[in-house]
Amino acid sequence: GENVEQHPSTLSVQEGDSAVIKCTYSDSASNYFPWYKQELGKRPQLIIDIRSNVGEKKDQRIAVTLNKTAKHFSLHITETQPEDSAVYFCAATPSSNTGKLIFGQGTTLQVKP
Amino acid sequence: GAVVSQHPSWVICKSGTSVKIECRSLDFQATTMFWYRQFPKQSLMLMATSNEGSKATYEQGVEKDKFLINHASLTLSTLTVTSAHPEDSSFYICSARPSAAEQYFGPGTRLTVT
Repeated sequence: GENVEQHPSTLSVQEGDSAVIKCTYSDSASNYFPWYKQELGKRPQLIIDIRSNVGEKKDQRIAVTLNKTAKHFSLHITETQPEDSAVYFCAATPSSNTGKLIFGQGTTLQVKP
Repeated sequence: GAVVSQHPSWVICKSGTSVKIECRSLDFQATTMFWYRQFPKQSLMLMATSNEGSKATYEQGVEKDKFLINHASLTLSTLTVTSAHPEDSSFYICSARPSAAEQYFGPGTRLTVT
């Protein structure tokens, strides 16, 4: 079945720096890749997503890139702020097209003021 | 964005009892909902896909007789944890899709089994 690997597990950056989180997936037919932000004890919030027919998508300080050949996708956060501190999860929709999501292990991002 | 609610937000039950968790899509209809479980400091693990009007599809390793799922309407899915044990204590989160791909999550239910 589909497997999603996420790195790093923890990431600490200074306020204003950039943060990059990387994921790889196993099912080459996966076609939808969302990123979620989860604060402690709360629900995951969709922050950006990308579909397999697009290589890059940007929304203000957040961008996602997709390399279908390498089966990699990455989250880029620029000009980080303390409120960006949270756990970030990548996910992928496997080829079964049931809509289910397979999640990566998560990255705890700490932005130091 | 789409709104998904869950009830209760937290529940404490005794070992051996059953607990029902509700997931509702408030402003859209959802033929499919998903149930996840999340242990502390871990990722979300998909338990099952809830299909309106038909049987749920369970992921490998998830006991369907222990985690009963009912999706009786286009806005409500329920998860019943039967004969709960302390190892079932976890954060249970549902999600639903208003469109073909985007999923929105409920606020989660913290289950503690004593």
